[in-house]
Amino acid sequence: GQNIDQPTEMTATEGAIVQINCTYQTSGFNGLFWYQQHAGEAPTFLSYNVLDGLEEKGRFSSFLSRSKGYSYLLLKELQMKDSASYLCAVKDSNYQLIWGAGTKLIIKP
Amino acid sequence: SAVISQKPSRDICQRGTSLTIQCQVDSQVTMMFWYRQQPGQSLTLIATANQGSEATYESGFVIDKFPISRPNLTFSTLTVSNMSPEDSSIYLCSVALSPSGNEKLFFGSGTQLSVL
Repeated sequence: GQNIDQPTEMTATEGAIVQINCTYQTSGFNGLFWYQQHAGEAPTFLSYNVLDGLEEKGRFSSFLSRSKGYSYLLLKELQMKDSASYLCAVKDSNYQLIWGAGTKLIIKP
Repeated sequence: SAVISQKPSRDICQRGTSLTIQCQVDSQVTMMFWYRQQPGQSLTLIATANQGSEATYESGFVIDKFPISRPNLTFSTLTVSNMSPEDSSIYLCSVALSPSGNEKLFFGSGTQLSVL
């Protein structure tokens, strides 16, 4: 079957750095997405990786290793507003999106 | 980008009744999807809404329970029929501006449904 694994919850301190991991087992691979979802709100797009390596966007970076079935989202200079759930999603060989359950990130002052 | 208006934002319904959720997009979009998100769980795709033809349902979802309309490229509805408490969830409308592999999704604000 197809599977996306992420930690359920993580806690970090304001101003620090946190890395949220995502491992996947899917039938084929056509890209990996990260979305941010604040409580009670809709998910919003953060990043897309289809080739191995690091994609940087301001305070957020996303890394992909296709051979390892692994990605991470790196958040730097954490702010209280970064408290949210972070969803990892993979497009399989049929371009169907497979979603992880999300990682709830709690930022403490 | 796309701006999506989803209504209602929340509702509390009685068992056995039906609720229709509306999704209006500010531009014509190729792909429209309906998702369900239960607390602490991943997004589950219910169906792809096809303009001018029947929706394509995912395993575990059927048209009689979740009828979908898509009369044009900017609007769709999802009906949750004959509701039971197990249908309590957040329902999300989502669009992609093209079917290409790297196309990100835009989401409506969601409908939080509680069935008593």
